[in-house]
Amino acid sequence: EAQVTQNPRYLITVTGKKLTVTCSQNMNHEYMSWYRQDPGLGLRQIYYSMNVEVTDKGDVPEGYKVSRKEKRNFPLILESPSPNQTSLYFCASSSSGTGVEKLFFGSGTQLSVL
Amino acid sequence: RKEVEQDPGPFNVPEGATVAFNCTYSNSASQSFFWYRQDCRKEPKLLMSVYSSGNEDGRFTAQLNRASQYISLLIRDSKLSDSATYLCVVDGGYQKVTFGTGTKLQVIP
Repeated sequence: EAQVTQNPRYLITVTGKKLTVTCSQNMNHEYMSWYRQDPGLGLRQIYYSMNVEVTDKGDVPEGYKVSRKEKRNFPLILESPSPNQTSLYFCASSSSGTGVEKLFFGSGTQLSVL
Repeated sequence: RKEVEQDPGPFNVPEGATVAFNCTYSNSASQSFFWYRQDCRKEPKLLMSVYSSGNEDGRFTAQLNRASQYISLLIRDSKLSDSATYLCVVDGGYQKVTFGTGTKLQVIP
């Protein structure tokens, strides 16, 4: 089954404790991206990747890191989480072609930073 | 001006009604347009792509007006199951995807 697998589904942590949210897709998609969703602000892009070793900042990259060492994986790293990073996070992938085609989303990660 | 703007709603409509949502975008170079549906705190799912010629999928019709830089979604014969938030999504080129904040629809029995 074609899917984007995102883990964990829920995460509660404390300020400053490094964490990683994993994202994996099995569709051989070139394009992957991370979003955060906050009430009244919609989904905002954090980082995206066009292919292995190719990543770029989205609209809200501060406080986040990503890596794309393999085509299927695109982890999101918070080196020193802060309470303002409490949010609902989504990973997505797509075949890129001449533009972003249908985005496949993971089930989301609800992160709470205390 | 926001890159993509939507009326947040909520739109409360009775079953069987026709409802329309609009979405405006600021980047005239935008290339691709989509409507996604999101149920409460779940992942967004593609409802339909939006083409210049307009397109229809059952009770749903999407239109694009490049001159005025807006896209629309029309839902006919609303069902209770249509209750959700509808997200306008714009691909601004260079794989830069921007989401609107969403329009909430509540279909009432």
